[in-house]
Amino acid sequence: GQNIDQPTEMTATEGAIVQINCTYQTSGFNGLFWYQQHAGEAPTFLSYNVLDGLEEKGRFSSFLSRSKGYSYLLLKELQMKDSASYLCAVREEDGGSQGNLIFGKGTKLSVKP
Amino acid sequence: DAMVIQNPRYQVTQFGKPVTLSCSQTLNHNVMYWYQQKSSQAPKLLFHYYDKDFNNEADTPDNFQSRRPNTSFCFLDIRSPGLGDAAMYLCATSRAPSGSNEQYFGPGTRLTVT
Repeated sequence: GQNIDQPTEMTATEGAIVQINCTYQTSGFNGLFWYQQHAGEAPTFLSYNVLDGLEEKGRFSSFLSRSKGYSYLLLKELQMKDSASYLCAVREEDGGSQGNLIFGKGTKLSVKP
Repeated sequence: DAMVIQNPRYQVTQFGKPVTLSCSQTLNHNVMYWYQQKSSQAPKLLFHYYDKDFNNEADTPDNFQSRRPNTSFCFLDIRSPGLGDAAMYLCATSRAPSGSNEQYFGPGTRLTVT
């Protein structure tokens, strides 16, 4: 079966660092995506990992461990505008219907002053 | 500069009254997707088109249909909306369902069923 787990909610303080974890159990693995979704808006792409290790992009970094079925999104120097839901999504296979993304329920992050 | 456009942004329909949601894209992507998303839930894939090939998810109700008359446009038809169909409907596009090709989402249509 397919299962993607993320914490439901997190709270952090402006200027701090927060780590949002994602664990997955899927029949295959061909990449993991992180999306940001502000309330009532569409998801926007943040990062993509297919090999183990850390990918850094400005204030946001994403880490992957394929052997552990684990990823995290790291947000540094938090800003109020980072308050949003963060969705983890896995691609099981390359191409065809199995190439579609399987989304987690998302982690709602609240950044407080 | 909008790349994936959805109309309308808000749609109110009556129980049982057919409704059509539309999506267009300027990215010339091969794949178009329709998702249903309810509050605090993951986006649920309903179906997707890879070029003209239609792919229905196994658990998508028969009440939901889709059309893709050309590369740019895709429609979601709900034949007899029920109260449980009230949700945000997201359209997304992608070059291909492979590799690092991410999906680009439209702003969504929020459907209310009265």
